[in-house]
Amino acid sequence: GENVEQHPSTLSVQEGDSAVIKCTYSDSASNYFPWYKQELGKRPQLIIDIRSNVGEKKDQRIAVTLNKTAKHFSLHITETQPEDSAVYFCAASKMGFQKLVFGTGTRLLVSP
Amino acid sequence: GAGVSQSPRYKVAKRGQDVALRCDPISGHVSLFWYQQALGQGPEFLTYFQNEAQLDKSGLPSDRFFAERPEGSVSTLKIQRTQQEDSAVYLCASSLGRTVDSNQPQHFGDGTRLSIL
Repeated sequence: GENVEQHPSTLSVQEGDSAVIKCTYSDSASNYFPWYKQELGKRPQLIIDIRSNVGEKKDQRIAVTLNKTAKHFSLHITETQPEDSAVYFCAASKMGFQKLVFGTGTRLLVSP
Repeated sequence: GAGVSQSPRYKVAKRGQDVALRCDPISGHVSLFWYQQALGQGPEFLTYFQNEAQLDKSGLPSDRFFAERPEGSVSTLKIQRTQQEDSAVYLCASSLGRTVDSNQPQHFGDGTRLSIL
């Protein structure tokens, strides 16, 4: 089955810096890749997603890139703010198999 | 409602008791999912419904776990004869999912934190 690896497990940056989180997946049939932000004790919140027919997607300070050949995708956050501090999860799924397979999470800490 | 609603938010049970967790999806969402999230880990898939049909239950860890969605809306996850390793946050998610082949964004509820003593 699908396996998603995520790194780093923790990431500390200064406010205003950029942050990059990387994930790799094992199943070449996977075609949908969402990213979720989860604050302590709260629900995972979808922040951006990308499908395999595009290589990059951007939404204000957040962007996601996908390399299908290498089977990896990355989350880029620019101009980080303290409120960006949370755990971020990547996930993958494939058409016809709706379930999401999640990575192990990255704890992002943005210091003022 | 505006989002996925789960109840109760917290549940404490003694080992061996049965528990039932409820999920109310976003109105009009056809697909419904249950995930289990252990402390410090990512959510892990349990089961998936398309309307009232349970299309995938490959993630249910044992036959003590049972889920239903009889009218294609509200869903209940039941755990029988609970054990300590069942302690986790149980998350429900829903998506538009109008066709099985369409991967639509999944929106999560706040989860039920289950503690087995």
